[in-house]
Amino acid sequence: DAGVTQSPTHLIKTRGQHVTLRCSPISGHKSVSWYQQVLGQGPQFIFQYYEKEERGRGNFPDRFSARQFPNYSSELNVNALLLGDSALYLCASSLGAGYNSPLHFGNGTRLTVT
Amino acid sequence: TQLLEQSPQFLSIQEGENLTVYCNSSSVFSSLQWYRQEPGEGPVLLVTVVTGGEVKKLKRLTFQFGDARKDSSLHITAAQPGDTGLYLCAGAEVNAGNMLTFGGGTRLMVKP
Repeated sequence: DAGVTQSPTHLIKTRGQHVTLRCSPISGHKSVSWYQQVLGQGPQFIFQYYEKEERGRGNFPDRFSARQFPNYSSELNVNALLLGDSALYLCASSLGAGYNSPLHFGNGTRLTVT
Repeated sequence: TQLLEQSPQFLSIQEGENLTVYCNSSSVFSSLQWYRQEPGEGPVLLVTVVTGGEVKKLKRLTFQFGDARKDSSLHITAAQPGDTGLYLCAGAEVNAGNMLTFGGGTRLMVKP
């Protein structure tokens, strides 16, 4: 079975531009979460979607937005990019959204903002 | 926002040595998970602990959840070069489902 797939794998953008990152969950998984991992740090929670509804949002500015589609895939959008947005963006899927539903991570999208 | 503090941040040891990584918080978690992350890849789940005092073993790895569900440890016996990687603990806050708070990670290097 295919794992969580993310695209693109690498991306270079200029300050002020907009970016869209995409994620396809494991088949049958209904929840998708997004995390930002800055170099040298642990991942930080951005969003969680379950059954196409936003379940939670981390401490990120409104420049960050996301959505989940009827096929459970998801997009993360970031507007007005800043240098500090450079990071590895991880998508994780899970069967459900409960504490005992383990997350399965993709290999991430490496975003560099110049 | 709950914080998870991991220690040590870096660890370089010889093959065959034992080591322990700690994950501490002042707050209670519903569950705590340990992940390993290789360069260029996403974190891979090693174990989930949910009961205070719980101990789980995975081959040479032993995971423990503190009695008060505020802290956890990962012990590796007879480390091997293949254990090299970034080890991350992550906690699920009470009533937060599986939205995780991650520690800063412990970068382990095992030299042959």
